[in-house]
Amino acid sequence: SQQGEEDPQALSIQEGENATMNCSYKTSINNLQWYRQNSGRGLVHLILIRSNEREKHSGRLRVTLDTSKKSSSLLITASRAADTASYFCATALYSSASKIIFGSGTRLSIRP
Amino acid sequence: NAGVTQTPKFQVLKTGQSMTLQCAQDMNHNSMYWYRQDPGMGLRLIYYSASEGTTDKGEVPNGYNVSRLNKREFSLRLESAAPSQTSVYFCASSEASSGLSGANVLTFGAGSRLTVL
Repeated sequence: SQQGEEDPQALSIQEGENATMNCSYKTSINNLQWYRQNSGRGLVHLILIRSNEREKHSGRLRVTLDTSKKSSSLLITASRAADTASYFCATALYSSASKIIFGSGTRLSIRP
Repeated sequence: NAGVTQTPKFQVLKTGQSMTLQCAQDMNHNSMYWYRQDPGMGLRLIYYSASEGTTDKGEVPNGYNVSRLNKREFSLRLESAAPSQTSVYFCASSEASSGLSGANVLTFGAGSRLTVL
């Protein structure tokens, strides 16, 4: 089974609303990363949070990490139509930082 | 700067045929990866190479072999293709394997769509 599981699997919101996606993982990590994938394209890195960090911001993105619960959340504020995509969390394992495992992803749709 | 280049972009194989997916990066990255993505699913790690001269199994290595030809190139070989290997394959690279420095952020290629009949 995959290291990361994301919730919800699909999310549809109105433009301008905030979108929150959650990621849970099973084993200790070195860092956790979030990626975006537009339909039919490769993945693009959004933000990285290290295991010793609890919160990070980048533009309209806010990521939190709770290592005691083995979970992370990605918040996109003031959503735009261009945010429509699939979002994946990826964990770099503590035992091997080069082994990067992806979650199952959340499909986000922004309604105009 | 081309980044990560994968070839071919599309390939149709018959069951039992073999083929090699090629990946090259021009960013002087140390680590390289092969993932597969099935429809509506996340990415699953097939093999990775933390540095030139090393390769390690990922989550789903069965049916695949890899070669880290040099620092730039990392190939994925299917010796005897099966319909279950129909998927989109992504190659990725990262500067280094150090996690706390944040140097293991992945840069992805555009993907190779493989169909096995």
